Amino acid sequence: KQEVTQIPAALSVPEGENLVLNCSFTDSAIYNLQWFRQDPGKGLTSLLLIQSSQREQTSGRLNASLDKSSGRSTLYIAASQPGDSATYLCAATMFSSGSARQLTFGSGTQLTVLP
Amino acid sequence: GAGVSQSPSNKVTEKGKDVELRCDPISGHTALYWYRQSLGQGLEFLIYFQGNSAPDKSGLPSDRFSAERTGGSVSTLTIQRTQQEDSAVYLCASSLFPRGRQETQYFGPGTRLLVL
Repeated sequence: KQEVTQIPAALSVPEGENLVLNCSFTDSAIYNLQWFRQDPGKGLTSLLLIQSSQREQTSGRLNASLDKSSGRSTLYIAASQPGDSATYLCAATMFSSGSARQLTFGSGTQLTVLP
Repeated sequence: GAGVSQSPSNKVTEKGKDVELRCDPISGHTALYWYRQSLGQGLEFLIYFQGNSAPDKSGLPSDRFSAERTGGSVSTLTIQRTQQEDSAVYLCASSLFPRGRQETQYFGPGTRLLVL
């Protein structure tokens, strides 16, 4: 059974700092890995999706990397802003039965960017 | 266009009562997922619908939980004889048919269920 772990559980940084969020998974047979953002009282917003054949994806100030062999992914946020404050979740996409794409989520990293 | 919507946004119920949670996926999305997020825990997969195929129910925690999807669009998640441990945020997501390895699931805002 796939297990996804995120470290740290919470992180507080001053505005402008670059930061890295870590995600590890136990089963390397993934279809893809996704990073999501969750704001309080709201649903999840997909940030980046890395296919199993890729090593990284970039969107604006965000860069996500994937190392399947070591079971790790990182989310790099450059020049952090207070608006980046949220909970960041990583999720590994696995096969379940048939053609289902089942996401296994980590417990998230709660990020606070201080102005 | 409109995103995934869920109703109600909040639900408080008494232990032992049945509840129904509704999800309206993005129009044209054929795949629909239900997840549960309990306090202090990560999201937990519950059930998956894809077109007219039999749903993947592998994540349902007990036979008190069931879900259906009518006409390939709206879905309802039903919890019978609710227990306090059912208290959680229930999230619905939809996606285009998962061709290949690139699939983004779009999530609704969730239904916050509190069982007293």
